[in-house]
Amino acid sequence: QKEVEQDPGPLSVPEGAIVSLNCTYSNSAFQYFMWYRQYSRKGPELLMYTYSSGNKEDGRFTAQVDKSSKYISLFIRDSQPSDSATYLCAMSNSNYQLIWGAGTKLIIKP
Amino acid sequence: EAGVAQSPRYKIIEKRQSVAFWCNPISGHATLYWYQQILGQGPKLLIQFQNNGVVDDSQLPKDRFSAERLKGVDSTLKIQPAKLEDSAVYLCASSLAGYEQFFGPGTRLTVL
Repeated sequence: QKEVEQDPGPLSVPEGAIVSLNCTYSNSAFQYFMWYRQYSRKGPELLMYTYSSGNKEDGRFTAQVDKSSKYISLFIRDSQPSDSATYLCAMSNSNYQLIWGAGTKLIIKP
Repeated sequence: EAGVAQSPRYKIIEKRQSVAFWCNPISGHATLYWYQQILGQGPKLLIQFQNNGVVDDSQLPKDRFSAERLKGVDSTLKIQPAKLEDSAVYLCASSLAGYEQFFGPGTRLTVL
């Protein structure tokens, strides 16, 4: 069993829809939870991070962490074609080494 | 602020040949990472440097891969000899503190 599980998709939704992306993990020592966005032929870029449990909002993006269920989510409101990318979750314990999900390919249809 | 630079962007070689990748991190970033990303997978850490010292190279196939970071700035990753399964994107990232890593565009390696 992988430490971090993420559905690879692809996930295709119409423009304007609410998108929900998720990861599950097995290591209860993880403290930092991150979402990276990766456009085709580019390196990943940090989108959001959360420390421990709770919600964090940044514009159209909301990150949620439920440590009791070992489950994290990223919500995108009012999705745009420019949001089409691969979204990678990543987690870290206190040594800051990231453990990555496989990434979910998201396609927003105009 | 300039980002992480990598070269070359693309490389095609035949198996058993050698190849080298170069990375220039963001100025002042002490930590440098090399990742291997196979199509459809998340990045896999190969080696982590703190300044010019190795913090973790537990997943680096040391019989064929080597990496160095001279003077705690630029870094090179070498593969010799290459195998078909080394076909991947090699990503370099740097960080100043903690969790936030900044990635370069990657080098796409194809081994024929």
